[in-house]
Amino acid sequence: KNQVEQSPQSLIILEGKNCTLQCNYTVSPFSNLRWYKQDTGRGPVSLTIMTFSENTKSNGRYTATLDADTKQSSLHITASQLSDSASYICVVSQLPGGSYIPTFGRGTSLIVHP
Amino acid sequence: EAGVTQFPSHSVIEKGQTVTLRCDPISGHDNLYWYRRVMGKEIKFLLHFVKESKQDESGMPNNRFLAERTGGTYSTLKVQPAELEDSGVYFCASSQDSRDRGNYGYTFGSGTRLTVV
Repeated sequence: KNQVEQSPQSLIILEGKNCTLQCNYTVSPFSNLRWYKQDTGRGPVSLTIMTFSENTKSNGRYTATLDADTKQSSLHITASQLSDSASYICVVSQLPGGSYIPTFGRGTSLIVHP
Repeated sequence: EAGVTQFPSHSVIEKGQTVTLRCDPISGHDNLYWYRRVMGKEIKFLLHFVKESKQDESGMPNNRFLAERTGGTYSTLKVQPAELEDSGVYFCASSQDSRDRGNYGYTFGSGTRLTVV
C-alpha cells in the first residue's frame, strides 16, 4: 500500500530559527515528490518538486532534499518568519503505469512564534 | 491570472440534505481534480476530469457523490443525501499538463468546508 508518513506532526519554533521536516514514503514506482505549504483556510501551494534524479531543490528559504534509495525527503526552512506558520504537506506521485494518483501525507503543522 | 475558485467556502447542512459544491478552474486548464480532507486524515483523491470526461473516478467514496463538468469548464460535486462522515474540506485543483495526473502544475482552490450535522 502506498503511504507517505510525515514527522513531526506539529512543531513550534521561534522566529529566526531553522527547522527540518521529514517525509518517508513507500510509493512505488516513484515519479516525483512535492512539498506543499498550506495556510489556514487556503489550498495547498507548491514549494518544490523533485524527480528521481534530483537530490536537492531550493526555493528561497526552503530547501528540499530527496534520498530515493531510502525513500526519504526533508524540507529545511532557514531563518523562519511568522508567515511560515502553516501546514507543510509531502506528496508523492507514481511513474506512468502506476495508479497516477498522488499520495498525500497528513502534513506537519508549523507554528512560528515571535 | 485568476486562480482556482471554489464556492461556497463553507456549508453546513443537515444529514439527508443535498449539497452542491462548485469549482471554477484556471481558464484553459483541461485537467480538473477533486480532493477531500476528512478531519485528522490526509488529503485524498476523488476524481479527475479531462475536459468534460471523467478520466479517473476511483476515489469517489460511493454513489451518493456525483461530479459533473458539462462543457469542460466549471465542475460541480453533488452529495445526495449527505451523511455525517461526508464532513470535511473538499479541494479542487486544475492543471494544464496531465502527465502523472497533473502533479507538475497543480493549482489548488481554497476548498469548501462541508459540515454535516
